[in-house]
Amino acid sequence: DAKTTQPTSMDCAEGRAANLPCNHSTISGNEYVYWYRQIHSQGPQYIIHGLKNNETNEMASLIITEDRKSSTLILPHATLRDTAVYYCIVRAPPWAGGTSYGKLTFGQGTILTVHP
Amino acid sequence: DTEVTQTPKHLVMGMTNKKSLKCEQHMGHRAMYWYKQKAKKPPELMFVYSYEKLSINESVPSRFSPECPNSSLLNLHLHALQPEDSALYLCASRGVAEKTGELFFGEGSRLTVL
Repeated sequence: DAKTTQPTSMDCAEGRAANLPCNHSTISGNEYVYWYRQIHSQGPQYIIHGLKNNETNEMASLIITEDRKSSTLILPHATLRDTAVYYCIVRAPPWAGGTSYGKLTFGQGTILTVHP
Repeated sequence: DTEVTQTPKHLVMGMTNKKSLKCEQHMGHRAMYWYKQKAKKPPELMFVYSYEKLSINESVPSRFSPECPNSSLLNLHLHALQPEDSALYLCASRGVAEKTGELFFGEGSRLTVL
């Protein structure tokens, strides 16, 4: 799986949009970008994933650059409960098979702190 | 039911003890995972089971012994652990046929080895 680079930490004011960047310059053609978050003392939680088109769900939006070398996770109206570590992960989809079938490898992530 | 349930939530054991961690899901998922997470570090993959068979072992020491007795249950047997094995142990599951490839995680079992 391709390596990702994320800022160590970010701050955001409550009610404002939180934009979390991720660089994945070695991403290959069949690899997806996944985002998970981990709130303190809980298990990681899936947020969103995408291949090359921008994606939106009830939690967040994912913007992937045209060359696919970077992406941004957007939380449109951050709340205090969004304070967590956010992980950007690049991986081949599980149905791709191969020796890394099924793997999900976490990088260091970004600690997002939402302030009142 | 979209839950992965892990028991116990907390476990304290001595280095000569034998204990087990248990993970259960009833979502019909046929891929199940064990991760280890040290404080302020990301989760590290330990084992992956697919259709009740071990498919990935990330060179984990033999003092950790996984077992998948059926499609809903995953165990991690612990024996002769070291204090440095103290960590949060996370279980996850995934629907093999699902397009998202999303992993569902439990809340973890926090292990302390004395």
